[in-house]
Amino acid sequence: DAMVIQNPRYQVTQFGKPVTLSCSQTLNHNVMYWYQQKSSQAPKLLFHYYDKDFNNEADTPDNFQSRRPNTSFCFLDIRSPGLGDAAMYLCATRGQGGNQPQHFGDGTRLSIL
Amino acid sequence: GENVEQHPSTLSVQEGDSAVIKCTYSDSASNYFPWYKQELGKRPQLIIDIRSNVGEKKDQRIAVTLNKTAKHFSLHITETQPEDSAVYFCAASTHPGGKLIFGQGTELSVKP
Repeated sequence: DAMVIQNPRYQVTQFGKPVTLSCSQTLNHNVMYWYQQKSSQAPKLLFHYYDKDFNNEADTPDNFQSRRPNTSFCFLDIRSPGLGDAAMYLCATRGQGGNQPQHFGDGTRLSIL
Repeated sequence: GENVEQHPSTLSVQEGDSAVIKCTYSDSASNYFPWYKQELGKRPQLIIDIRSNVGEKKDQRIAVTLNKTAKHFSLHITETQPEDSAVYFCAASTHPGGKLIFGQGTELSVKP
């Protein structure tokens, strides 16, 4: 059974139209990450939550924001998507403790028209 | 900042042969090194990881070696099978739960 669930798997939006991607987890992990992955490239960390503490990467555009209303859910909001934001967006979680690896969801592939 | 270099970018082997992918890292404080396998259109899946207190770890056909002095680590796949075909990413972190710095990826193709 999937433990990190991303919805939808495929999302199409229009240039400049706000879009929200969602991630939920059944692992009760306290850390959640959002990555952007473009074709043939490694995942690029956008930001992460340690419990409710939000940590933004220095090079993450202001266009990208996130919400974590509770332990289980985390959202990625793209306020005004541009053509360059078309990518796979991956959510990952990690449990508490020093030896816990990251577990990825199946991702949402975002297309911009 | 931390950087991870991965080579080769593409690797083609015959079924049954071994495959080796190498990574080097820049931050000497790195002490956790996972390897992820990503099939086309799917999520990265952790296949093996190693911590800095060991030099080698093996899981069936997959092994990882770590040389902390030289700051490099390698993935070894023996008796490769067509289903091993995927993109493999190495990563480094200062601890298992920390920020992962990924290598550029290696596209492995195993030909029947």
